Amino acid sequence: EVKLVESGGGLVKPGGSLRLSCVGSGFNFKIAWMNWVRRAPGKGLEWIGRIRSRSDGGATVYAGSVKGRFTISRDDSKNTLYLQLNNLENEDTAVYYCSSDLSASGRFDYWGRGALLNVSA
Amino acid sequence: SYDLTQPPSVSVSPGQTATITCSIKNFGNKYVCWYQLKAGQSPVLVIYQSNKRPSGVPERFSGSISGNIVTLIISGTQPVDEADYFCQAWDTTTVVFGGGTRLTVL
Repeated sequence: EVKLVESGGGLVKPGGSLRLSCVGSGFNFKIAWMNWVRRAPGKGLEWIGRIRSRSDGGATVYAGSVKGRFTISRDDSKNTLYLQLNNLENEDTAVYYCSSDLSASGRFDYWGRGALLNVSA
Repeated sequence: SYDLTQPPSVSVSPGQTATITCSIKNFGNKYVCWYQLKAGQSPVLVIYQSNKRPSGVPERFSGSISGNIVTLIISGTQPVDEADYFCQAWDTTTVVFGGGTRLTVL
């Protein structure tokens, strides 16, 4: 069974930092392209960014709204994806999902249940 | 800029056919995916490459494409299908989601 489990969410003050983690199991994590997506309260899904597999170069790409503040990385030895969030703003309050792209085809095959981040003073 | 436009809401009676459209602007790749999202649950991929259904997704879910309009079709809609649905497209530098459609089954 494929599982993705996010952790690390919580309450952070504006300007603060946080790191989210996502542990994958039940699939070959090292060959998967991995993505972060978020959903703010009352809003739709917003793609944050993607990291390719190491075998495909390991490159990252980000949405313009988070570029320079958020960083995606991975540790294939731990089957873990990370999202480092810096200089947080109230508008970053959302549920953050990790998702796997098992065929590098742009489709998000599996998703976690999400981690809630609340940015508030 | 890339844009995917969906209607905010669609209502359907149980047993009827629900159609949710996604209008694609400026994407050369018409390979659209559809996701179902229910409160407190993980999003679920229900259609990929505009009209392919992943294993495990009920056969009542299908997709079609005509020009720049991609459509999610739910035949014989059931109350359990009530959810938010999002279309999604991608290229090598970005991924874009539509604004989402709230499907109400009543």
